[in-house]
Amino acid sequence: AQSVTQPDIHITVSEGASLELRCNYSYGATPYLFWYVQSPGQGLQLLLKYFSGDTLVQGIKGFEAEFKRSQSSFNLRKPSVHWSDAAEYFCAVVTGGYQKVTFGTGTKLQVIP
Amino acid sequence: NAGVTQTPKFRVLKTGQSMTLLCAQDMNHEYMYWYRQDPGMGLRLIHYSVGEGTTAKGEVPDGYNVSRLKKQNFLLGLESAAPSQTSVYFCASSYEPGAFTDTQYFGPGTRLTVL
Repeated sequence: AQSVTQPDIHITVSEGASLELRCNYSYGATPYLFWYVQSPGQGLQLLLKYFSGDTLVQGIKGFEAEFKRSQSSFNLRKPSVHWSDAAEYFCAVVTGGYQKVTFGTGTKLQVIP
Repeated sequence: NAGVTQTPKFRVLKTGQSMTLLCAQDMNHEYMYWYRQDPGMGLRLIHYSVGEGTTAKGEVPDGYNVSRLKKQNFLLGLESAAPSQTSVYFCASSYEPGAFTDTQYFGPGTRLTVL
């Protein structure tokens, strides 16, 4: 069965510092991969997605993610974090003939001045 | 363009009561979804619909029913609420027919407490 792991429940970074959020998946083939962000009290918003091609994907708000097949990973990065990036981030995969979606448990990001 | 809206935003039920959550989208999307979000468990798909008049079970469908009588609306029903159904419920929609691979647009959520 497919699974998505976000090993970090909570991460704290200083404003201006770089950020990397980890996402690992378990699936036989290459899935479709997504990163969503959820601000407090809000629904989820898509940051970026990967289907095929260039393994480095650019998204909104200055985020990027890199797909590494050998590591079954799709880590999210940002070179300089802003206070407004404080939110919860979810990785998701679509597999099963594109009829099954699985979300990770989320990583809550705190940004300190 | 309101996007995806959910009604109500908050609700408290007693065990055994019933209720219906309404999701509406004005983007002419084919796919609609209902998720529940619980602490430490991420989002789990309850039911989804690939078009008007069709519904399908997701990962955790037990205790819920859904209907999609109109393309823009997707209703989630709890016939006999249980404390285990205390959660935040999110509705989402996406355009591309035939796949989950399109971007999902989420509503703001409904916080349900079952006493």
